[in-house]
Amino acid sequence: SQQGEEDPQALSIQEGENATMNCSYKTSINNLQWYRQNSGRGLVHLILIRSNEREKHSGRLRVTLDTSKKSSSLLITASRAADTASYFCALPTGGYQKVTFGTGTKLQVIP
Amino acid sequence: DAGVIQSPRHEVTEMGQEVTLRCKPISGHNSLFWYRQTMMRGLELLIYFNNNVPIDDSGMPEDRFSAKMPNASFSTLKIQPSEPRDSAVYFCASSLQGSVNEQYFGPGTRLTVT
Repeated sequence: SQQGEEDPQALSIQEGENATMNCSYKTSINNLQWYRQNSGRGLVHLILIRSNEREKHSGRLRVTLDTSKKSSSLLITASRAADTASYFCALPTGGYQKVTFGTGTKLQVIP
Repeated sequence: DAGVIQSPRHEVTEMGQEVTLRCKPISGHNSLFWYRQTMMRGLELLIYFNNNVPIDDSGMPEDRFSAKMPNASFSTLKIQPSEPRDSAVYFCASSLQGSVNEQYFGPGTRLTVT
């Protein structure tokens, strides 16, 4: 099963700046998800983008999907200290909602 | 809804002991997943169930690991005997078939085997 490769592995920005993280994959998918994990907590679903969508928004989050390049990006605008977390992309790898999570990007937002 | 519930939240045990982790999925969800997270290996899927039936246990590392789902509202992950390399955070997640993959995670159980 394929795993998303995320970059950067770690990112440190000042509050108010935008944060961009990327996920690349190898084989065709019909959707891609992004999750957030705060320290010591379980993952929380952020957004799902389907293969026929190029861009999707949710609040301060913007996700793009380029199926020709097999990559997705997550943009967090006007970041806040509370956005400090690890962010994972998740790719479908089987039936019954099975997904494989990427390696994650650790974001630190400095107040 | 209370979300996915896991117990215990923390478990410290000695090598060789049996460990049982518990999970209550969100009511109405019919898929349940057990994951293990470590710094070295990231988030790994151990096993998942659909309608209480194990569908894929290829991620279970060894015969020392077993999982059951006797009914729609309860699942266990057992390690017997435990070893120090089993130390990790174990997450349970549930989802509703038809909701296109979105999974809801529990808070995790931090297991330390000494």
